[in-house]
Amino acid sequence: SFVLTQPPSVSVAPGQTATITCGGNNIGRESVHWYQQKPGQAPVLVIHYDSDRPSGIPERFSGSNSGNTATLTISRVEAGDEADYYCQVWDSTFDHAYVFGGGTTVSVL
Amino acid sequence: QVQLVQSGAEVKRPGASVRVSCRASGYTFSTFDLNWVRQAPGQGLEWMGWMDPKRGDTASAQKFQGRLSMTTDSSINTVYMDLSNLRYEDTAVYYCARSPGTPGFFDFWGHGTMITVSS
Repeated sequence: SFVLTQPPSVSVAPGQTATITCGGNNIGRESVHWYQQKPGQAPVLVIHYDSDRPSGIPERFSGSNSGNTATLTISRVEAGDEADYYCQVWDSTFDHAYVFGGGTTVSVL
Repeated sequence: QVQLVQSGAEVKRPGASVRVSCRASGYTFSTFDLNWVRQAPGQGLEWMGWMDPKRGDTASAQKFQGRLSMTTDSSINTVYMDLSNLRYEDTAVYYCARSPGTPGFFDFWGHGTMITVSS
């Protein structure tokens, strides 16, 4: 099955930039979507189709995808960005199923 | 506004079955797929299966095949997820999540339903 690899944690100071990676074999050929999940809450879509922001998501959130790595970038990080972030793709090669990365906890110092 | 309202928390014995409902409102029910995603305590997200409410088509992740059933009652804009032969490791929060199509992404999520498997 398609495996997505994320770093377990990322720490960033307020006002700085957080970069969260999502690694997968030729992931650049797939559409990658990103979710933010705060404790005790359901996930929220923050990026779809690699780099598109849904309505209501701040411009500080951006995404890219190339080669073997997709990236979610949070610029000018705020305390409210502290959350778990998950990448997701559709595995069209092996299982014809949705796959999530293991998640990355973003901590704001 | 789009809302997905799920049924309440349940405690089940090992070997039992559970049904979780997800009632949709704020959009045309038949035009979006609905998925089930679960999250064990302290763990990540795991996709279980999806359903096309208009045609009744379903598909599930391989690990749930034979135990997972998804049905719909379009008259009340509700989908149901039935998971049978429950095991301790099925203890998790179960979410329904809407997708504009399959394959795709999940643009709205229910609030989650905690299912605890305990003897």
